[in-house]
Amino acid sequence: KQEVTQIPAALSVPEGENLVLNCSFTDSAIYNLQWFRQDPGKGLTSLLLIQSSQREQTSGRLNASLDKSSGRSTLYIAASQPGDSATYLCAPPRGYNKLIFGAGTRLAVHP
Amino acid sequence: GAVVSQHPSWVICKSGTSVKIECRSLDFQATTMFWYRQFPKQSLMLMATSNEGSKATYEQGVEKDKFLINHASLTLSTLTVTSAHPEDSSFYICSARDPGSFGGGGYTFGSGTRLTVV
Repeated sequence: KQEVTQIPAALSVPEGENLVLNCSFTDSAIYNLQWFRQDPGKGLTSLLLIQSSQREQTSGRLNASLDKSSGRSTLYIAASQPGDSATYLCAPPRGYNKLIFGAGTRLAVHP
Repeated sequence: GAVVSQHPSWVICKSGTSVKIECRSLDFQATTMFWYRQFPKQSLMLMATSNEGSKATYEQGVEKDKFLINHASLTLSTLTVTSAHPEDSSFYICSARDPGSFGGGGYTFGSGTRLTVV
């Protein structure tokens, strides 16, 4: 059974800060891990996907790392902006294709 | 990436009635789709896996007779909440594996349906 924990649960920061969002999972036998953002009342937007053979992936100001052996993934957000305000969710799969979600980190970036 | 369209985006229904939610893959075929439920300030919980041309597989604790899933074509899955009750009020989201995302390993989500049962 895959269980996912995300820390911190909430984060409120001034614009411009570099941020670290943590995700830990119990079943390390995963093929990949995907990070999403969710705006209030909306669906999910895919941010990054890290394959099990990779250690990190980058997209713009976002960088995600993966340490399978320790069951951890970290999402780094550089130079945060108010538009980054959202809930960030990590989702390692259970088995081949069932994504299991953490409770998310609610991020608020204020000007 | 590919687009998954979900309809309606919100619905209000009376207790005891049934509500159907549609999930369509717009520019790709999806033999498998997934249905999630999300309560306020909680995470997404996988309800069931929708399989084209065969029965859906439900997660433990999800009533299959209450949440009817039909995946009659490669681009459409529907979730019907039968005899809805106020406790069924929630945010329902579907997803499918996106063949064009991250080498085919990524998932695309619909925009969700807010169901309110009064």
